Formats: sequence, structure tokens, C-alpha cells
Amino acid sequence: GENVEQHPSTLSVQEGDSAVIKCTYSDSASNYFPWYKQELGKGPQLIIDIRSNVGEKKDQRIAVTLNKTAKHFSLHITETQPEDSAVYFCAAYTGFQKLVFGTGTRLLVSP
Amino acid sequence: DTEVTQTPKHLVMGMTNKKSLKCEQHMGHRAMYWYKQKAKKPPELMFVYSYEKLSINESVPSRFSPECPNSSLLNLHLHALQPEDSALYLCASSPGQGAREQYFGPGTRLTVT
Repeated sequence: GENVEQHPSTLSVQEGDSAVIKCTYSDSASNYFPWYKQELGKGPQLIIDIRSNVGEKKDQRIAVTLNKTAKHFSLHITETQPEDSAVYFCAAYTGFQKLVFGTGTRLLVSP
Repeated sequence: DTEVTQTPKHLVMGMTNKKSLKCEQHMGHRAMYWYKQKAKKPPELMFVYSYEKLSINESVPSRFSPECPNSSLLNLHLHALQPEDSALYLCASSPGQGAREQYFGPGTRLTVT
């Protein structure tokens, strides 16, 4: 079955810096890759996603890139702000209505 | 509006109690999901309903019983739970018809004493 690895597990940056979180997947049939942000005490929030026929997608300060050949995708956050502090999960859609999640990255943005 | 609501927000129950969790969405989505999330872990899929029919049961113990009374509502009935069942229970919905994106509710924090 699909396996998604996510790195790093924790990431500390200064406000205004960029942050990059990387995920790799194992099943070449996976074709949809969402990113979720989960703040303390809340449910995961879908912040951006990318499909396998696209290499990059941007939404204001966040962007996602996908390299199908290498089977990895990354989340890029520019000009980080304290409110970006949260746990971020990547996921891969395996078909059959299932998402396989990465293990999560705790991002801390210090003022 | 991509809102999924869940009630209650918190629930404490004893091992002999019966309780229910409720999830609601009014986005016209046709797939709904239950996930369990332990601290510092990703969500784990429990059940999937597609067009009000149970399509996936991830070998969940029978003390968890899902129900989908209509396309907007999803329940999770709990009975004879164990302390290790304490977790955040998340509901999600998806448009269905091949759409992949899932939208999560805020979750119910369950504590089993």
C-alpha cells in the first residue's frame, strides 16, 4: 500500500523567513496531494492541494511543488508569520476514497 | 462555505456508557468520513460513507457503530469503550463523484474513564 514520509518533524523559523516541508510517497498511482494545517485543539484545515498533472501551485504566501518522477512534493511558506505556527500534514490520495497522511511537521514561527 | 460541524466538542464517558457523536454538513457533499486522531499523530481512517452507504470499514471494533441517516448527517455510536479509545474524533466530507478533497470538522475530544 501507499506510504508517505514527511520531513522534518519539527521546524523552527524566525518571522519573515521561508519554511519548506517535504514529503515522499511510494505509490506511483497516487494522483492527488493535499496539505492540511492543524492548529491546537482544531481539526485539520485544507490549505492547498495539487493534482498529478500539475507541477506547481501557488496561493498567496503558500505554494506546493510536485515531482512525479522522484515521487516527492513540498510545501513552501514564504514571509512566515506567528499565526502560521501549527502542525502541517501532507497526504496522498490512493484511490478508493482513502487519503494516506504523513506523520506531520510542527512549525514554530518566532516573532 | 466549507463547514463541517461536530457535536459535542468534548465528551467524557465511562466504559459502560452509550453515547453518540454527531457530524453535519450542508455543502451537498455525498461522501462522509470518520477519523480517529491520537495526540501527535495523523488522522486514522475509521469509516467512509458514500451516497449514504457504508463503503469502507477499516476493521474498526464493533463498539464503534456508524450511521448515516441522510446525506447531510453522520453519527458515530459509542458503547463499552476502553480508555485507549480516548482521542480526537474527526468527521470529514467530500463532494463525491470522484472528487478527492476532504474537509474536516473541528472534532470531538473524547475521554473514556
